[in-house]
Amino acid sequence: QQQVKQSPQSLIVQKGGISIINCAYENTAFDYFPWYQQFPGKGPALLIAIRPDVSEKKEGRFTISFNKSAKQFSLHIMDSQPGDSATYFCAASRGNQGGKLIFGQGTELSVKP
Amino acid sequence: DAGITQSPRHKVTETGTPVTLRCHQTENHRYMYWYRQDPGHGLRLIHYSYGVKDTDKGEVSDGYSVSRSKTEDFLLTLESATSSQTSVYFCAISSWSGSGNEQFFGPGTRLTVL
Repeated sequence: QQQVKQSPQSLIVQKGGISIINCAYENTAFDYFPWYQQFPGKGPALLIAIRPDVSEKKEGRFTISFNKSAKQFSLHIMDSQPGDSATYFCAASRGNQGGKLIFGQGTELSVKP
Repeated sequence: DAGITQSPRHKVTETGTPVTLRCHQTENHRYMYWYRQDPGHGLRLIHYSYGVKDTDKGEVSDGYSVSRSKTEDFLLTLESATSSQTSVYFCAISSWSGSGNEQFFGPGTRLTVL
């Protein structure tokens, strides 16, 4: 019940296209859902996050869509650029558990020029 | 890297050797975390701390211990390293915002156990 499942494992998108990464969770007690971006040799960096009382959150070219009834959330990257090529992780946590994050397995995104 | 440093950045050691990794923060945050990252598993929580001398286990704590004697330092110790502990280790601190518990990660330590 603590798992977060992420798909696809890898994704190739043309420059200017839309990248979509999906995550599904089981524990309905999760109340915080962040996305992290990681470049090779670096630590993960917080990209955008959402709480379950909101169905969508947008920051620049990055949008989280959240479907509470389906227990799914996704990251959309609009107008994808080669600089967006990185590994993306979704995660989930419960506020009353010290903020411990449960991560998805990661998606390696490659944006072709 | 949000005021977080990790040392060493790279280490090669042999099976059975004790190893200590250090995480240092300059942000005075209460919560600190140790994760390991392995291909196909994302990041998994090893231990975390919610204050000086206050620590708790994560999902993959076997074979690891931690200590926090000062707010700024969180140490991860492998008492007797095994090859299965070859991994990249990340320390994180957290900052509570209106959205939730935002965690910020250090640069990582790549550990190889031969």
